[in-house]
Amino acid sequence: EIVLTQSPGTLSLSPGERATLSCRASQSVSSNFLAWYQQKPGQAPRLLIYGASSRASGIPDRFGGSGSVTDFTLTISGLEPEDFAVYYCQQYGDSSFTFGPGTKVDLK
Amino acid sequence: QLVQSGAEVKIPGSSVKVSCKPSGGTFNTYFISWVRQAPGQGLEWMGRIIPIFGRVTYAQNFQGRVTITADESTSTVYMDLSSLASDDTAVYYCARPRIAYSDGACDYWGQGTLVTVSS
Repeated sequence: EIVLTQSPGTLSLSPGERATLSCRASQSVSSNFLAWYQQKPGQAPRLLIYGASSRASGIPDRFGGSGSVTDFTLTISGLEPEDFAVYYCQQYGDSSFTFGPGTKVDLK
Repeated sequence: QLVQSGAEVKIPGSSVKVSCKPSGGTFNTYFISWVRQAPGQGLEWMGRIIPIFGRVTYAQNFQGRVTITADESTSTVYMDLSSLASDDTAVYYCARPRIAYSDGACDYWGQGTLVTVSS
């Protein structure tokens, strides 16, 4: 099973600032099958990025994904008030999918 | 797009069966995943099914305790979890990708079903 580690655990930023979130895999993620989700309290997760760098339908272009093999990054280029949430990475390159523990982006 | 059954309260040692019914599209050509989230915790992938092929994959942590099935007559997917313990208390979600036959990231999610395990 591929284990995903996310850092930092919490990121305290102000609106307009740039957020950089990291996701590291314990082994190579096949075909860079890595997704990012956003989750707000009381809501289901929302898909942001798939295939490491492709934005899902309707996702603003301030969200960007990059990386390959074992190291992946989600960048939010200028935080909007609605972006304060928890972000999870997920790998789906292995037959058994796994999620990272999440990074909370909160208001500084 | 995905409608789940209602909240459940179960006693330790019992089983729970949660349903997930896609409201549109061709039900059996989509991979349906199950994901759970304990209170205040992260997301945990449990397994997935593609009904048209009857192919099911389970996460190692749940092997032998979870069963995911599909009923094509009612276009419903089920997740059955047995030998419940208090740490199975969680919101259980079903989810699927946007594109048929696409196995991976999930665009659509159910509303979640709270399962509480308590004596």
